Amino acid sequence: DQQVKQNSPSLSVQEGRISILNCDYTNSMFDYFLWYKKYPAEGPTFLISISSIKDKNEDGRFTVFLNKSAKHLSLHIVPSQPGDSAVYFCAAHDNNAGNMLTFGGGTRLMVKP
Amino acid sequence: NAGVTQTPKFQVLKTGQSMTLQCAQDMNHEYMSWYRQDPGMGLRLIHYSVGAGITDQGEVPNGYNVSRSTTEDFPLRLLSAAPSQTSVYFCASSSPSGRAVDTQYFGPGTRLTVL
Repeated sequence: DQQVKQNSPSLSVQEGRISILNCDYTNSMFDYFLWYKKYPAEGPTFLISISSIKDKNEDGRFTVFLNKSAKHLSLHIVPSQPGDSAVYFCAAHDNNAGNMLTFGGGTRLMVKP
Repeated sequence: NAGVTQTPKFQVLKTGQSMTLQCAQDMNHEYMSWYRQDPGMGLRLIHYSVGAGITDQGEVPNGYNVSRSTTEDFPLRLLSAAPSQTSVYFCASSSPSGRAVDTQYFGPGTRLTVL
């Protein structure tokens, strides 16, 4: 049973508009959440993270929101740019599991010019 | 500074063959790990190492072996390849930063097909 789920396998957005990528989790022991971005034929690269003691973290055009009671987090990209087109993975850290992460299945974002 | 490198980029094996996927990092990172990526499944941890000489199993270790004789290298061995091991394999490394979670740096991946 997947502990981290990204229920939308793909998302298409017009350039300049907002992209919202969602992630749900089941393990209440997760204490840190990360978003990774992956281009074709490359490895994932770290994008932004949030601690479970916060509900929002912002970095330029990227904002991650965390709703602990709903076990839900989302990544907002505003404004979306064609270069943002990639697969986005949500990942979660369990404080009892060392440095390792549990990943969601990924959402492919396509930003149309 | 090459970061995390993986070889080969692509590989086709027949069922029962063995091979080693190579991973090297030049950032002097203590932690290294191997993931596999399958459609809709995200990345799943196979094995990891917290330092030279120390390895442990992840979520999906069966059919794979690892060793860590140096800080730089973390090879992944498939002893007897099976079609279920067809996947994209990523190696990652990180270093303790004092934060709750350390940023992992990923290699470009190896696409493996087992016929």
